Amino acid sequence: DTGVSQDPRHKITKRGQNVTFRCDPISEHNRLYWYRQTLGQGPEFLTYFQNEAQLEKSRLLSDRFSAERPKGSFSTLEIQRTEQGDSAMYLCASSLAHVTGGNQPQHFGDGTRLSIL
Amino acid sequence: LAKTTQPISMDSYEGQEVNITCSHNNIATNDYITWYQQFPSQGPRFIIQGYKTKVTNEVASLFIPADRKSSTLSLPRVSLSDTAVYYCLVGDLYSGGYQKVTFGTGTKLQVIP
Repeated sequence: DTGVSQDPRHKITKRGQNVTFRCDPISEHNRLYWYRQTLGQGPEFLTYFQNEAQLEKSRLLSDRFSAERPKGSFSTLEIQRTEQGDSAMYLCASSLAHVTGGNQPQHFGDGTRLSIL
Repeated sequence: LAKTTQPISMDSYEGQEVNITCSHNNIATNDYITWYQQFPSQGPRFIIQGYKTKVTNEVASLFIPADRKSSTLSLPRVSLSDTAVYYCLVGDLYSGGYQKVTFGTGTKLQVIP
């Protein structure tokens, strides 16, 4: 099953450190999304890409956050100078958007759980 | 994106049919209704999607009345493994507004032996 893959699954780091997460989407999917989920809440949209272009960013994505998808395949999400409030599950999803319109449902990875000490 | 309202939690015994209703009073003409299931420490998993009337797949049915202001996810004969959080989402598939998906807090379903 070649679903959405995220790495690492867990990350523990000290406040102030930088962290980077990787997402490998389903291979034929041209859209890739990042979400953040805290305990007891649903996932919150952060940003999404169509191929290599970052088309939308949430206000939740502060200047310390940056996402890239350099070749339109895998994506990375970096958080600089981590803070306690960054502790969450970071989810990646992908979908296939047809050139003629329409968008299939998003398929999610199992996330990276970030814990800030 | 249309706002959705779901019950916070539900309990059901094993073997029963479970119906989870979602309200979306301001659903737009092009909006589709999608349901996801999420287990602890896993990402949401797509269950079913529909636009109107009834949709059925191998795991669930989705009932949408004519006014489309609500929808009901039906899980037949639930088992303990169906204990999860269920999210109802509404979005516009074709004009591009579905790129971002707004999850509410979902419905936590607890299946009891």
